Amino acid sequence: GAGVSQSPRYKVTKRGQDVALRCDPISGHVSLYWYRQALGQGPEFLTYFNYEAQQDKSGLPNDRFSAERPEGSISTLTIQRTEQRDSAMYRCASSSQSNQPQHFGDGTRLSIL
Amino acid sequence: AQKVTQAQTEISVVEKEDVTLDCVYETRDTTYYLFWYKQPPSGELVFLIRRNSFDEQNEISGRYSWNFQKSTSSFNFTITASQVVDSAVYFCALSGFLTGGGNKLTFGTGTQLKVEL
Repeated sequence: GAGVSQSPRYKVTKRGQDVALRCDPISGHVSLYWYRQALGQGPEFLTYFNYEAQQDKSGLPNDRFSAERPEGSISTLTIQRTEQRDSAMYRCASSSQSNQPQHFGDGTRLSIL
Repeated sequence: AQKVTQAQTEISVVEKEDVTLDCVYETRDTTYYLFWYKQPPSGELVFLIRRNSFDEQNEISGRYSWNFQKSTSSFNFTITASQVVDSAVYFCALSGFLTGGGNKLTFGTGTQLKVEL
């Protein structure tokens, strides 16, 4: 595709529910990254993949957060048993190779009630 | 640990003024990349530039220019003859090859630039 595509754009859910956020990277991009951005802050790294392999998940806050990229293309970030503090903008980025600039999607705004 | 500091929270200028956005970074890596991203009111995050730590040449792209000074650990961004369309939040970011694996971006808190008529 022309750019990184994320869905849904907005997600409102009740505390305790599980949510799955989807990222479709730029076609052919090997590396895919997830970040979380709180209001008024810069994005914070969560995890990244090269092809289907999760290379670094050091930024995932706790074991309620997980991510996968089973075929090396689309990725899903899953948050189980959501809490209000999980409310944020979740951004996905991709790059052609791991040492190339990252291009971001428009993000998913997650609100936990 | 890596750190990026953007001390200017908000800057307001009148159109056609020049404006400089400051960025100071900390890293123990000897090889690293520095970045600037723009976040307009619509919310997307737009890549502007990447510089390698070995390349201290200043760069100019139209009305944008970047001043990288390793001696002061700074990577400042200047917009010449600012326009209303430049109004956005600008983020400086860093990735280091050792501490960040060359991939993980560490962002500053951003500078909100408001350009008024």
